[in-house]
Amino acid sequence: EAGVTQSPTHLIKTRGQQATLRCSPISGHTSVYWYQQALGLGLQFLLWYDEGEERNRGNFPPRFSGRQFPNYSSELNVNALELEDSALYLCASSLGPQRLDTQYFGPGTRLTVL
Amino acid sequence: AQSVTQPDIHITVSEGASLELRCNYSYGATPYLFWYVQSPGQGLQLLLKYFSGDTLVQGIKGFEAEFKRSQSSFNLRKPSVHWSDAAEYFCAVAPDNYGQNFVFGPGTRLSVLP
Repeated sequence: EAGVTQSPTHLIKTRGQQATLRCSPISGHTSVYWYQQALGLGLQFLLWYDEGEERNRGNFPPRFSGRQFPNYSSELNVNALELEDSALYLCASSLGPQRLDTQYFGPGTRLTVL
Repeated sequence: AQSVTQPDIHITVSEGASLELRCNYSYGATPYLFWYVQSPGQGLQLLLKYFSGDTLVQGIKGFEAEFKRSQSSFNLRKPSVHWSDAAEYFCAVAPDNYGQNFVFGPGTRLSVLP
């Protein structure tokens, strides 16, 4: 069974540009989560999607947005990139939204903002 | 608000030695607790989880963790460390609401000496 996949592996952008990151969950999983892992800041929860709807978001500005498609894959968009957006962005999926549903993580997308 | 602390930023042990990584949480109700490992350049891999029942939980790769409610701790242990265990270890708690936007600890980096 394939795990969570993310693309691209690396992404280099300049300040002010937009970045789009993609995530494909494990087959059968309906919930997708996005986390930011920035140097010195640890893992911060960004967004949670379930059944195509945004269910919760972390303490991030509105320029961080995303969506979940009917096939449960997800996209994270970061507009007006700033230098501090440079980080590893991790996507996770779970069977459903319950606390008992373990999150499985993808390998991440390394975003570098110059 | 929930929080997770991992008091040790960096731990170095010799191969074959025992290991204990500390995790303390702040949470009002019954916590759902997890340990993940992240190898360099990789996503997070679930080592083990605690939901209820037996307070000693067995995980993959020979790891175990013990939940101690009185100490608000969920320490990770391994009796004999292998060089391949060198990685970053994250403790996480799932909050008591619908969905699982995990709260992660800051992580403990483990180095293993030959």
